[in-house]
Amino acid sequence: LAKTTQPISMDSYEGQEVNITCSHNNIATNDYITWYQQFPSQGPRFIIQGYKTKVTNEVASLFIPADRKSSTLSLPRVSLSDTAVYYCLAMDPTGGFKTIFGAGTRLFVKA
Amino acid sequence: DAGVTQSPTHLIKTRGQQVTLRCSPKSGHDTVSWYQQALGQGPQFIFQYYEEEERQRGNFPDRFSGHQFPNYSSELNVNALLLGDSALYLCASSSFGDRGEKLFFGSGTQLSVL
Repeated sequence: LAKTTQPISMDSYEGQEVNITCSHNNIATNDYITWYQQFPSQGPRFIIQGYKTKVTNEVASLFIPADRKSSTLSLPRVSLSDTAVYYCLAMDPTGGFKTIFGAGTRLFVKA
Repeated sequence: DAGVTQSPTHLIKTRGQQVTLRCSPKSGHDTVSWYQQALGQGPQFIFQYYEEEERQRGNFPDRFSGHQFPNYSSELNVNALLLGDSALYLCASSSFGDRGEKLFFGSGTQLSVL
C-alpha cells in the first residue's frame, strides 16, 4: 500500500478554485488514486477516482501526471459547505480492500 | 435505496465492559469493513469481512472481533473496553471484485468509554 502525503490544512474563500496535491512516490502499478471527503461526525464520502491523466465528475477533477507520483484534486468555485477534511488514497483494488487513510487535508472555506 | 446504516449512533460505556456495534451494508454490497476514527485523525482500518469470514485485519488487538451474517450485515465487538477505545466507529461497504474500490461509509457510532 502506497503511503500518501498531503498538506495538513488549507484555507480558501468562497468562489475560488482549490487544488489539493497529494504525493505518492511509491505508488504501485495497480494502484488507483481515490479521494474522499469527510464532514464532522459523518463517514467519508467518495469524491473521485483515477488511474492516470485527468478525470472529471460533477463535483471535482483529478489530475494525475504521467509518472503517477502525485495527484491533484481540483474543486471548482468552492462554497462554505466544502469545508471538510479531504483524504487521498493510493491502493490496489484487486489486492484486497484494506484501505489506509492518512491524516487528510483540512480545507476551511471562508466567506 | 438505503445506504450503509449503523446502530446505535451514540453509546456510553465504562471501562471493562463489552460493546457490540451493528452495520447493514448498502444494497448490492457483500463486503463490510470497519474503521476506528479518533478525534482529529483519519480512519484506522480494523478488519474486513467477506463471505462471513475475516479477510484482512489491521493492527488491532484480539479484543476487537467481528462477525458477518448471511445477509451481509456485520457486527463489531469490543471486549474489556479501555478509555482509549473512545472513538467514532465507521462501517464501510463495497462490492468485492469491483474494479476501482469505492467504499460507502455509514455515519458511524460514537463510542465514549468512561
